[in-house]
Amino acid sequence: DGGITQSPKYLFRKEGQNVTLSCEQNLNHDAMYWYRQDPGQGLRLIYYSQIVNDFQKGDIAEGYSVSREKKESFPLTVTSAQKNPTAFYLCASSSLAGSYNEQFFGPGTRLTVL
Amino acid sequence: RKEVEQDPGPFNVPEGATVAFNCTYSNSASQSFFWYRQDCRKEPKLLMSVYSSGNEDGRFTAQLNRASQYISLLIRDSKLSDSATYLCVVIVGNTNAGKSTFGDGTTLTVKP
Repeated sequence: DGGITQSPKYLFRKEGQNVTLSCEQNLNHDAMYWYRQDPGQGLRLIYYSQIVNDFQKGDIAEGYSVSREKKESFPLTVTSAQKNPTAFYLCASSSLAGSYNEQFFGPGTRLTVL
Repeated sequence: RKEVEQDPGPFNVPEGATVAFNCTYSNSASQSFFWYRQDCRKEPKLLMSVYSSGNEDGRFTAQLNRASQYISLLIRDSKLSDSATYLCVVIVGNTNAGKSTFGDGTTLTVKP
């Protein structure tokens, strides 16, 4: 089955701790993205990557870090510098071929900072 | 002003009704447009792409108006299962993956 997996589904963290969210895809997509969604709001782009070993900041990158060592994997680290990390985190991927590069999403990780 | 704005909603309609959502965008260089559906506490899923000539998929019709910079989604004969939040997505450029901007969504509730 082709798709995007995220783990864990729920994550609880103590204030001041770093935590890493996993995202893996087997769709052979070049681009991968991380979004954050807060209640009643749309998605805001944290980081994205179009190629291995390269990534770009999105609109709200402060307090987050990423790596893209493999095409299939794009882990997101929420650092202690992120002031309000409790949110729903969504990973997505897309092909960069063609004109309509729709994004496919993983099931998300709900992070709660205690 | 937000780059992508949607009707605030919520929309509460009876089964069988026709409902339309609009989404305006501010960047005239926007190239790609999509409607996503998001169920409560789930990930967004692609509903349909929006083509320049407009497109239809069963009960759903999407339109693009470049002159006025908005896209629309029309749902005919609403079903209970259509209840969800609908997100519009606008991408500037067709390969610049980082410029995708989501609207805040419009919530639809279809009632018996």
